[in-house]
This record gives sequence, structure tokens and C-alpha cells, in this order.
Amino acid sequence: NAGVTQTPKFRVLKTGQSMTLLCAQDMNHEYMYWYRQDPGMGLRLIHYSVGEGTTAKGEVPDGYNVSRLKKQNFLLGLESAAPSQTSVYFCATGRGPTDTQYFGPGTRLTVL
Amino acid sequence: RKEVEQDPGPFNVPEGATVAFNCTYSNSASQSFFWYRQDCRKEPKLLMSVYSSGNEDGRFTAQLNRASQYISLLIRDSKLSDSATYLCVVNVGGSYIPTFGRGTSLIVHP
Repeated sequence: NAGVTQTPKFRVLKTGQSMTLLCAQDMNHEYMYWYRQDPGMGLRLIHYSVGEGTTAKGEVPDGYNVSRLKKQNFLLGLESAAPSQTSVYFCATGRGPTDTQYFGPGTRLTVL
Repeated sequence: RKEVEQDPGPFNVPEGATVAFNCTYSNSASQSFFWYRQDCRKEPKLLMSVYSSGNEDGRFTAQLNRASQYISLLIRDSKLSDSATYLCVVNVGGSYIPTFGRGTSLIVHP
């Protein structure tokens, strides 16, 4: 089992470019989350999903969109990247809100 | 007041030392509690869950104090490999969203 995977692992964008980060899980978990982690800020929730076809905003949703068309995939989109979106992005999954979360290895994004 | 607070450290201890971290939470309806470990430039990984009766796993002991609204992590006989950031996570009953602390940095030196 691969667990939770994220693609790509690294990416450099120019301001204004768009991209999609993919999170895939083979754990059959209902809940999926996208976080960003910046130095001194800890993990901040961007968007989350409680099941296939559902999405909801987290703490810092502005500038991002998400989709959960299939249970195993959770996509995070940046329509027009800004330098403030330079960060490490982690995807996580879980069986439920009070359960353990399993994290992907992260995507390191730099926006110039 | 932040929902979940941790002393960022770093805690700098010699090998073999015992070290303890606390994590305070503000919502009395908090229902589940966890400690995660995060190595530099890696993803967080579950270290242990924290039960009302406490939880022990080898050199690691986690405890919950509901009256004072904090959880603790005790590490005995510290190893160099214990150097990492330790994140506490709190879930409030009825919420879909877990709340992460910002982490406590531990450095174990020879």
C-alpha cells in the first residue's frame, strides 16, 4: 500500500501561473485535508473534504480551490500563484474528525 | 488566546535526560488528543494518542489533564534520534477540523 502520496514533490512557479497539486490515498478514508506549513506558523488548514463530492473551507482558503471527484483523490488548485503562496503543502487523510491523520510527504512550492 | 498552545522551545537536552512538554487547549469540549512527531522537512507522523487514563509506549508517556486543560508528553532516556518537533493535536467534539499546535522543538545532544 502506498498510503498517501502527493505529486509533484517540488515545483517552482512564476507569479500568475496556475497549477494543481494531487493527493492520492489508498486507505479508503473519507476525510481528506490540505494544509500549508510556513516557518513559525505551524500547520494551517486550507480546505478539507468529508467525503467524495464534498469540500469545505479551512482557516486560509483564499487563493486556492479544491475538488474531490473521486474518494481517493483530493486536488488543490492555485489559479494565479502569488509569492505569498510559497510554502510546503501537506495532504492528510483520516477515517473521521477525531481519528488519526495520515500525512503525505509534502509538496515544496516556490512562487517567484 | 490560541486554541492550542505549545512552548516552541527549543528544548536542548543531553542524551539520557528526561524531558517533558505540555500543550494547553482552550475548548473544554475537546474530545480527542494526539501527539505527532515531525522531523525536519518531513511530514508529521503519529507518535501516540492521549487517552483519559494516560498512554505509555516504551520511553514515551502521554497524559491528559482535563481539569487544567492540557496534555503532556514525557520522554525518558532521550536518544539523539528523538530530536524533532513535537506537535499536539486536539479535536473538538462535533467539529470536522482538528487543531494543531505550532510544535515544540527538541534537540538531544551527545
